[in-house]
Amino acid sequence: GAGVSQSPRYKVAKRGQDVALRCDPISGHVSLFWYQQALGQGPEFLTYFQNEAQLDKSGLPSDRFFAERPEGSVSTLKIQRTQQEDSAVYLCASSLLTSSYEQYFGPGTRLTVT
Amino acid sequence: RKEVEQDPGPFNVPEGATVAFNCTYSNSASQSFFWYRQDCRKEPKLLMSVYSSGNEDGRFTAQLNRASQYISLLIRDSKLSDSATYLCVVNGRGSYIPTFGRGTSLIVHP
Repeated sequence: GAGVSQSPRYKVAKRGQDVALRCDPISGHVSLFWYQQALGQGPEFLTYFQNEAQLDKSGLPSDRFFAERPEGSVSTLKIQRTQQEDSAVYLCASSLLTSSYEQYFGPGTRLTVT
Repeated sequence: RKEVEQDPGPFNVPEGATVAFNCTYSNSASQSFFWYRQDCRKEPKLLMSVYSSGNEDGRFTAQLNRASQYISLLIRDSKLSDSATYLCVVNGRGSYIPTFGRGTSLIVHP
């Protein structure tokens, strides 16, 4: 079966542009996580959805970051007015139930803000 | 103190060696523990869950020490293909928020 997919795989944005990153989780997976990973670091939690409910967004670095999962499947992470410090790999992961279960990661979107 | 700490390495070992990594965590209420493997420029993939009684999967052994708040990963008979970054993951801040360590880099050389 299909794994987690993310698009685009690479995105170059000029500072100040808005970007939207898409995540297609594994069908039937209840939980969806977004992470930000800087070079040489582990993934940093951004936000968590259980079905369509955003249960935790404490990791979002600023109000320029917004995530949604309106129908409990596909999720979009939007970054408004991108800044250079937003450059990172954005990883999406889904889990059958909660994070006490294995997370399956997508390949990530590498965002470069110039 | 960070919630989850790992020695970034790199650990540079010859093929066939045994190598062990530790990962310490600060939240004593943590319930779930995992080791993930991440190859260069790839996504993390689950290596193994860590159970209270310890568990083994082939050449890999994971252990949990709740008293000292650390988990460990032991790799026996290292292969070249084991070269990767090993991330420990702890459910710390809440019952569902996973916290990743920064990863430990392992390089296995011929």
